[in-house]
Amino acid sequence: GENVEQHPSTLSVQEGDSAVIKCTYSDSASNYFPWYKQELGKRPQLIIDIRSNVGEKKDQRIAVTLNKTAKHFSLHITETQPEDSAVYFCAAPNYGGSQGNLIFGKGTKLSVKP
Amino acid sequence: DAGVIQSPRHEVTEMGQEVTLRCKPISGHDYLFWYRQTMMRGLELLIYFNNNVPIDDSGMPEDRFSAKMPNASFSTLKIQPSEPRDSAVYFCASSFRYLTYEQYFGPGTRLTVT
Repeated sequence: GENVEQHPSTLSVQEGDSAVIKCTYSDSASNYFPWYKQELGKRPQLIIDIRSNVGEKKDQRIAVTLNKTAKHFSLHITETQPEDSAVYFCAAPNYGGSQGNLIFGKGTKLSVKP
Repeated sequence: DAGVIQSPRHEVTEMGQEVTLRCKPISGHDYLFWYRQTMMRGLELLIYFNNNVPIDDSGMPEDRFSAKMPNASFSTLKIQPSEPRDSAVYFCASSFRYLTYEQYFGPGTRLTVT
């Protein structure tokens, strides 16, 4: 089955700087890569996702890039703000998506210092 | 739509007691997932259902845990007997696979076993 590894586990940046979180996956058949954000005491919520037919997707200050050859994808947050502080999870489908569930990374705790 | 509904939001119980967590998925979603989240182990998939049928329960820790989905709008996760190490936040999530793999999480149930 799919294996997802996420780095770093913690990340601290100054407000206004950029933050990058990286994930690798094992199943070359995987075709959908979402990122979830979980604020303290809240539920995980989808913030952006990318499918395998594109290499990059942007949504305001957030972007995700995908390298299918190397089997890794990254979350980029520019001009970070204190409200970006949260735990971020990457994920990939299990068994290429045929089973319907997602395999989540261990999470990255991002702290944005004002 | 009200989103995924979970109850109770908080549960405090003594070791050895039975605990039942409840979930109502988003109407029309055909996948339902139960996760457990702790600081040490992160977000763990316990079990998931497709069209009310359990597909993969390999994440269920042991026989003390059981889950049911008697109909498309209701699922339960039961722990009997409960132990202090079961203390965690339990999330229920649902998705509609054929449109997207996005999983919509409920608010979670914070379980404390003393």
